[in-house]
Amino acid sequence: DGGITQSPKYLFRKEGQNVTLSCEQNLNHDAMYWYRQDPGQGLRLIYYSQIVNDFQKGDIAEGYSVSREKKESFPLTVTSAQKNPTAFYLCASSVETGAANEKLFFGSGTQLSVL
Amino acid sequence: SQQGEEDPQALSIQEGENATMNCSYKTSINNLQWYRQNSGRGLVHLILIRSNEREKHSGRLRVTLDTSKKSSSLLITASRAADTASYFCAAYGQNFVFGPGTRLSVLP
Repeated sequence: DGGITQSPKYLFRKEGQNVTLSCEQNLNHDAMYWYRQDPGQGLRLIYYSQIVNDFQKGDIAEGYSVSREKKESFPLTVTSAQKNPTAFYLCASSVETGAANEKLFFGSGTQLSVL
Repeated sequence: SQQGEEDPQALSIQEGENATMNCSYKTSINNLQWYRQNSGRGLVHLILIRSNEREKHSGRLRVTLDTSKKSSSLLITASRAADTASYFCAAYGQNFVFGPGTRLSVLP
């Protein structure tokens, strides 16, 4: 998990509530990503950011929002518009996008559940 | 736009046996990677093979890539109980696209 810290490890959301998941990295990586993982399934991309103050939607961005005000931080907000938020959320980073040897470094994840 | 698909979905073997997992993808890639995930944890990068490579080794891991068939395989030799985890392939083209993973159980 080295270098990427996600918090909290467990999070509970009440109906109609927005919640924010934290992701911080000290790897000096330009690119950061948020993935959602449902039980028994692979990872689906929510948002990614290649540089500070810029980010792009992934495959399942509806009901989520992000910000990238600092290189080290890429918080994810799960809004009340996300009707099925229960999942395991993974943050990742990479040195840069487009390189032939590009690989991802992951945090330890946040399990979000709905009360 | 899921590109990667692994098979089998689950695999159970005895310690010392070899484990083979397969992955298919749909579009052109820069590289194909394999990650490991222990239950409730983040993914850890295992090995990367570039699109112009056919085979790569790292310790007990051997990965092959067939770009004409858009497929890859991961072989873990002499498996150990500690290898029990889920294994994911990730096809890297414009972005990383993960398959649903193979759950490997290595029985002592």
